[in-house]
Amino acid sequence: EVQLVESGGGLVQPGSPLKLSCAASGFTFSSNWLNWIRQAPGKGLEWVASINPDGSSTYYPDTVKGRFVVSKDNAKNTGYLQMNNLRSEDTAMYYCARRGRYNPGFAYWGQGTLVTVSS
Amino acid sequence: DIQMTQSPASLSASLGETVTIECRASEDIYNGLAWYQQKPGKSPQLLIYNANSLHTGVPSRFSGSGSGTQYSLKINSLQSEDVASYFCQQYYNYPFTFGSGTKLEIK
Repeated sequence: EVQLVESGGGLVQPGSPLKLSCAASGFTFSSNWLNWIRQAPGKGLEWVASINPDGSSTYYPDTVKGRFVVSKDNAKNTGYLQMNNLRSEDTAMYYCARRGRYNPGFAYWGQGTLVTVSS
Repeated sequence: DIQMTQSPASLSASLGETVTIECRASEDIYNGLAWYQQKPGKSPQLLIYNANSLHTGVPSRFSGSGSGTQYSLKINSLQSEDVASYFCQQYYNYPFTFGSGTKLEIK
């Protein structure tokens, strides 16, 4: 069974860094892209990062480019989202997600970890 | 960036009814579209990919259609468990973008 478990969220002050983790199991982590999607309280979904299977290519929207860094450790079956210079507008539930084996939709999601940026 | 305009923002329908949610892309996304269902307090779940392919385990009362810039999600025979928010998402091009969502309630 595919499982994705996020951790590392919490309350941080504006300008602070925070690193989220996504522990994967039930599939070959090294052969899959890893994605991060966030959802501000009561709002819609926003894609924030993707990384290819071997970690050599990363993609971000302009809203986080230069502040967020996505990575993955295939030996540990764990993905990461390093978030720097956090802003109040980064407050959200952060999900890691994986595409389906034969389809490009985000077929598998973790339960999410909540990040609150506030002084 | 490709903008996804989703409508309506909210929808109220009776059990057994058929409902349709629309999504319009700001440019052709060549069927690179997915639909998700999100129940309160839960993670989103994939319903449809490639605009019209039903994800494994999703009831057949859900269907997707469309092409080019116009796409829709149809739910036949509305059930109480369909109360949720629904989001479209394009994955044709980076940055991946989502519609603003449709909140579906039972009348």
